[in-house]
Amino acid sequence: DVKVTQSSRYLVKRTGEKVFLECVQDMDHENMFWYRQDPGLGLRLIYFSYDVKMKEKGDIPEGYSVSREKKERFSLILESASTNQTSMYLCASDWEGGYGYTFGSGTRLTVV
Amino acid sequence: AQSVTQPDIHITVSEGASLELRCNYSYGATPYLFWYVQSPGQGLQLLLKYFSGDTLVQGIKGFEAEFKRSQSSFNLRKPSVHWSDAAEYFCAVGSGGYNKLIFGAGTRLAVHP
Repeated sequence: DVKVTQSSRYLVKRTGEKVFLECVQDMDHENMFWYRQDPGLGLRLIYFSYDVKMKEKGDIPEGYSVSREKKERFSLILESASTNQTSMYLCASDWEGGYGYTFGSGTRLTVV
Repeated sequence: AQSVTQPDIHITVSEGASLELRCNYSYGATPYLFWYVQSPGQGLQLLLKYFSGDTLVQGIKGFEAEFKRSQSSFNLRKPSVHWSDAAEYFCAVGSGGYNKLIFGAGTRLAVHP
């Protein structure tokens, strides 16, 4: 089975901290995605990557950046965490042409 | 712009009853359509997807969905709900290249014994 692993299940960070959310997939997928999930809003795409060092903004990139130095790892960075970034963050991966996302279990981030 | 609407935020059904979850999409071309399920504390799991061909699609766990182009709908159905089906369900549409998906707001399903 394809596995997408998010390094932390729960995180609590302070306002202004730099926060790293890590995601690793084990199936050599080209595409990786970061979504945030909020009640009543569903999942919204923050950033995605279609190859190493290649990235594209999603629908809500403000306040976030990403890094993909190796094919299996896709990191989401909150440069200066704010309380409105408190959310559930979901990582997903997919092979090109697949449209069959595999999701990680999510990281619930609380910014205080 | 592409969008997905799930009109029902919360639905409660009795175990053994039939289920239909509604999904409407807005997309200019022939859409790629998906249903995902999220059990409490879990990531999302793909239930089924429609790309082309037969408009009635069978998925896992006994679910099916029907694509109706005239109504811009892709409703999810199950003939007899089990208590383990209690979860949140998301409809999604493929959006452009790189397999991007646009998700609806979700429908939370509760199942009464």
